[in-house]
Amino acid sequence: NAGVTQTPKFRVLKTGQSMTLLCAQDMNHEYMYWYRQDPGMGLRLIHYSVGEGTTAKGEVPDGYNVSRLKKQNFLLGLESAAPSQTSVYFCASSYWRESDTQYFGPGTRLTVL
Amino acid sequence: GNSVTQMEGPVTLSEEAFLTINCTYTATGYPSLFWYVQYPGEGLQLLLKATKADDKGSNKGFEATYRKETTSFHLEKGSVQVSDSAVYFCALHNPSNQAGTALIFGKGTTLSVSS
Repeated sequence: NAGVTQTPKFRVLKTGQSMTLLCAQDMNHEYMYWYRQDPGMGLRLIHYSVGEGTTAKGEVPDGYNVSRLKKQNFLLGLESAAPSQTSVYFCASSYWRESDTQYFGPGTRLTVL
Repeated sequence: GNSVTQMEGPVTLSEEAFLTINCTYTATGYPSLFWYVQYPGEGLQLLLKATKADDKGSNKGFEATYRKETTSFHLEKGSVQVSDSAVYFCALHNPSNQAGTALIFGKGTTLSVSS
């Protein structure tokens, strides 16, 4: 089992560029999440999904879009990157309830210049 | 609302010292409480959890007791090792939350253990 994987590991963008971060899990989990981690801020939820074909907004959704076309994949898109989106992005998944153990990917470090 | 407050770091200890990282929370109802650990360059891993008052979570020599009367979930370890150096996050999940939240994390406490 690979667990939760994220692609890419690092990326540098210029302001206004777009990109998609890919998260994949092989544990047949229903719930998937995208968080961002900023210094001194802990982790904050961007968007989440409770199953294939569903998405919902989290605490800080502005500037991001997501899609869950397949149960094992959860994509996070930045349509027009801004320096405020410089962060480390973590994907996580859990079996079916939000209070279940969440399994995290290794993270994507994104810098927007 | 729901929130988690952790002690400010960094915490610097010598090997075999006793560790306490304080965590208090604010929530309505009966949240579940978690400690996650993040080793350098890695994602977060669940360290331990407790789902109801007076429960004690334990793993790898770490333990924390869910204290509803003091709204606390302090992390302790009797003898730390260099390999325990990491960032520790306290988190809660409140099942009475409105849709739009998952785990609510504290800001994290960096632990550095020297030999």
